[in-house]
Amino acid sequence: AQKVTQAQTEISVVEKEDVTLDCVYETRDTTYYLFWYKQPPSGELVFLIRRNSFDEQNEISGRYSWNFQKSTSSFNFTITASQVVDSAVYFCALYATGANNLFFGTGTRLTVIP
Amino acid sequence: DVKVTQSSRYLVKRTGEKVFLECVQDMDHENMFWYRQDPGLGLRLIYFSYDVKMKEKGDIPEGYSVSREKKERFSLILESASTNQTSMYLCATGARWGEATEAFFGQGTRLTVV
Repeated sequence: AQKVTQAQTEISVVEKEDVTLDCVYETRDTTYYLFWYKQPPSGELVFLIRRNSFDEQNEISGRYSWNFQKSTSSFNFTITASQVVDSAVYFCALYATGANNLFFGTGTRLTVIP
Repeated sequence: DVKVTQSSRYLVKRTGEKVFLECVQDMDHENMFWYRQDPGLGLRLIYFSYDVKMKEKGDIPEGYSVSREKKERFSLILESASTNQTSMYLCATGARWGEATEAFFGQGTRLTVV
């Protein structure tokens, strides 16, 4: 069975603080892909990153960074020096080749206070 | 840019009505998905289609059906709308999963059944 857990329902931070969004996944497949999506108030999900199960290198893109650890089945997302425009709901998702489907976590609502 | 267009942003329907939600994509993607998004539950898959006239049930298909007569169009049908189908509906599209692409989302349709 595939499962994605985002234990943090809501997070509030003050602008310029760093914030980490947690994602824990479960799958028995050896080949899988992990994703992060951002959903701003406008409603459309915006793709942020994809990681495959064979690539555990961390990735940095501007103020965003991702930490993928197979040992703990986690794929955490950190925003450095948060900005008000980062306020959104963030979803972690898992695609497992055996299931041929994209499974989403319940999302974390991030509010950045000016 | 990939474009996924959902026919309506907001829709209000009466209980018992037959409702059609349309989704059109312009990227020639094989896979198309319908998700439902509810607070605290994240995104849940209703149906997906991996080819014309092909469909697979997702996690919550009850009360819904789908149609894919053309590659670019995937319709979600509520045969007899009920108040518990009030929700945000999101359409997504993606190339074959073996090519490890992300899913692209439409802007969502917020359906209210009264």
